Amino acid sequence: QSALTQPAFVSGSPGQSVTISCIGTSANVGSNNAVSWHQQHPGKAPKIILYQTDQRPSGVSSRFSGSKSGNTASLTISGLQADDEADYYCSSFTVIKTIVFGTGTTVTVL
Amino acid sequence: QVPLQESGPGLVRPSETLSLTCNVSIGSVKDYYWAWIRQSPGRGLEWIGYTYYYATTEYNPSLESRVAISVDTSKNHVTLEVRSVTAADTAIYYCARRRRFDIWGPGKMVTVSA
Repeated sequence: QSALTQPAFVSGSPGQSVTISCIGTSANVGSNNAVSWHQQHPGKAPKIILYQTDQRPSGVSSRFSGSKSGNTASLTISGLQADDEADYYCSSFTVIKTIVFGTGTTVTVL
Repeated sequence: QVPLQESGPGLVRPSETLSLTCNVSIGSVKDYYWAWIRQSPGRGLEWIGYTYYYATTEYNPSLESRVAISVDTSKNHVTLEVRSVTAADTAIYYCARRRRFDIWGPGKMVTVSA
């Protein structure tokens, strides 16, 4: 199964908003709302920031929001902060009950 | 106490079997789906598989012929086996709860080398 496509790098200044896309197919992203997003700081384990496309777990900042249109899911980080500098991965459930990750995006705060 | 903790050998010889355990300290292993994910050095995340005590286990098609995931209810942990390993299996191995991966272990670095 092919990985979901994400931009390799995204950058923004403090306070700005950035959006990361996660492009899949009708066999994964387009088939359900089971898209999650994870943040990974260097040397650390990933941490969930969104699930079911747009749901935030308890304790996750409201600056993180999600959406989906067709085969593309998106993560938007509003009010960019220095601590948002990290790698971000989407993941999606598929029609054959497997899970596929995105290629990953490095967010840089300028 | 760490909710999930991976453990096992940090070095495995080529062609041998990699065996890891995920100790679960946040309730019973019967209650949730449990997944294994790995990350090769400098690379992205790769889903290995998931299991649920009351249902079937699903694997990444690219690894399915060499991988086994199971639940040990007596020890409340989840196990991963990867057979016939090569250098390409060198990675940090993570266990995670649920298919949305809402809780992750800290990860276990495993190197495949002679």
